[in-house]
Amino acid sequence: QQQVKQSPQSLIVQKGGISIINCAYENTAFDYFPWYQQFPGKGPALLIAIRPDVSEKKEGRFTISFNKSAKQFSLHIMDSQPGDSATYFCAASTASGTYKYIFGTGTRLKVLA
Amino acid sequence: DADVTQTPRNRITKTGKRIMLECSQTKGHDRMYWYRQDPGLGLRLIYYSFDVKDINKGEISDGYSVSRQAQAKFSLSLESAIPNQTALYFCATGQGTYNEQFFGPGTRLTVL
Repeated sequence: QQQVKQSPQSLIVQKGGISIINCAYENTAFDYFPWYQQFPGKGPALLIAIRPDVSEKKEGRFTISFNKSAKQFSLHIMDSQPGDSATYFCAASTASGTYKYIFGTGTRLKVLA
Repeated sequence: DADVTQTPRNRITKTGKRIMLECSQTKGHDRMYWYRQDPGLGLRLIYYSFDVKDINKGEISDGYSVSRQAQAKFSLSLESAIPNQTALYFCATGQGTYNEQFFGPGTRLTVL
């Protein structure tokens, strides 16, 4: 019940296309859903995050869509660029004081020029 | 993130050796974490600490130990390294209600 399932494992998109990465969770106590971006040789860094009181959050070309009833959330990268090529991790946590994240297994995105 | 540093960045060791990975941070955060990253398995929590006197096991703590020497320092030890501990190890700090985490650059550990 603590798992966060992420798909696909890898994704290849043409420049200018839309990249979509999906995550699903079981624990309804989760109330914070961040996405982290990791470039080769670097540690992950927070990209964008959402709480379940909204269905969508947009920051520039990056959008999180959240479906509370389905217990799913997804990251959409509009107008994908070669510089977006990285590994993306979704995560889930609760703000109840445990301060632990459960991470998905990661998606390696490659954007072709 | 330059505010979270890890040493060494790369390490090759042999089965049975004791090894320590070190993490230092200048962010002033109380929460610190150790993760390992394996292809296809994502980031898995090994240990975490909320202050010098508070150490907690994560989901994969067997074979590992930690020491929180100060607010800014959190070390991970492998008492007797084995090949399946070959992985990329990350230290992170956390802050705020939703615990935004700040990761170090990682240590690539190979156990032969």
